Amino acid sequence: EAQVTQNPRYLITVTGKKLTVTCSQNMNHEYMSWYRQDPGLGLRQIYYSMNVEVTDKGDVPEGYKVSRKEKRNFPLILESPSPNQTSLYFCASSLSRRVMGPQHFGDGTRLSIL
Amino acid sequence: KNEVEQSPQNLTAQEGEFITINCSYSVGISALHWLQQHPGGGIVSLFMLSSGKKKHGRLIATINIQEKHSSLHITASHPRDSAVYICAVPETSGSRLTFGEGTQLTVNP
Repeated sequence: EAQVTQNPRYLITVTGKKLTVTCSQNMNHEYMSWYRQDPGLGLRQIYYSMNVEVTDKGDVPEGYKVSRKEKRNFPLILESPSPNQTSLYFCASSLSRRVMGPQHFGDGTRLSIL
Repeated sequence: KNEVEQSPQNLTAQEGEFITINCSYSVGISALHWLQQHPGGGIVSLFMLSSGKKKHGRLIATINIQEKHSSLHITASHPRDSAVYICAVPETSGSRLTFGEGTQLTVNP
């Protein structure tokens, strides 16, 4: 089944404890992206990648890192999480290197940073 | 940066009603996405359109590139249509998306 898989789905952790949210797609998609969703602010882009080893900042990159060592994987790393990073996170992918094709979203990861 | 505005923010309808959700943006684009977010949180892509109209079942999306406006219509609405509907537009480079805040639709039986 074609899908974008995020893990974990839920995580409660404490300030400063490094964490990684994994994202994997099995559709051979070129473009992958991370978004966060907050009440009243909608979806905002954190980082995106148009190809292996190519990543770029979105609207809200501060406090996050990403890597794209393989085409299928695009992990989101929080080196020193803080409470303002408590949010609902989505990974998405699309076939094209641009966002001009249908976007496929993961099921979301709800992070709570205490 | 493109500014994306959706209206209304919240919409309550009775089953069977015709629904319209609007999306306006500030910078000319070549395509626009409509997304649906289920109550459980998952997001699915409904349409990507660059001109005219697209139809899928009871959902119809239209876009007017000159007026920088798109609408999503739902005919014969049903309680299972209750969700948040989000429009998204690409930046000029095509590398990023900007999202509207979403429209919360509730369809009562």
